[in-house]
Amino acid sequence: DVKVTQSSRYLVKRTGEKVFLECVQDMDHENMFWYRQDPGLGLRLIYFSYDVKMKEKGDIPEGYSVSREKKERFSLILESASTNQTSMYLCASSLPGLEKLFFGSGTQLSVL
Amino acid sequence: GENVEQHPSTLSVQEGDSAVIKCTYSDSASNYFPWYKQELGKRPQLIIDIRSNVGEKKDQRIAVTLNKTAKHFSLHITETQPEDSAVYFCAARLYGNKLVFGAGTILRVKS
Repeated sequence: DVKVTQSSRYLVKRTGEKVFLECVQDMDHENMFWYRQDPGLGLRLIYFSYDVKMKEKGDIPEGYSVSREKKERFSLILESASTNQTSMYLCASSLPGLEKLFFGSGTQLSVL
Repeated sequence: GENVEQHPSTLSVQEGDSAVIKCTYSDSASNYFPWYKQELGKRPQLIIDIRSNVGEKKDQRIAVTLNKTAKHFSLHITETQPEDSAVYFCAARLYGNKLVFGAGTILRVKS
């Protein structure tokens, strides 16, 4: 079974801190995604990557950046965390063609 | 860009009744429509999907219908059970690797 592992389940950070959220998948998937989940807003795409060192902006990239140095790892970076970035962050991976997304367990980030 | 609207935002049904969740999408070029289920505290998981060349797909107690002319698709759950209680998300793919999700529906099945 595909495993998508996010490094932290809960994270508390202070305003202005640089935050790294890590995601690793073990099924050699080309595509990887970062979503944030907020009540009443569903899942919104922040960034995605379809190959190593490739990245594309999603619908809400402002305030975020990503890094994909290895195929299995996709990192989300909050350059200077703000309170409006308090949210649940979900990583996902898929094969080319996007027939099925496999999600990680999520990281609940609180920015104080 | 693509926009997906999902209704209702919450739905309560009695165990054994049917539940229907509806989504509309904005771009007629969208070609793939999955549904994800997220149980409390767990990750979203794909439960059923449909492509634009198919009008209906069924898998045991769940079914999805697609009306391309009206640009809407629906999830139907029959004989609901308590374990169907969850948040359900619809999504639409316009092109490439980009899925756009609806806002989600909280389904409560009362026993």
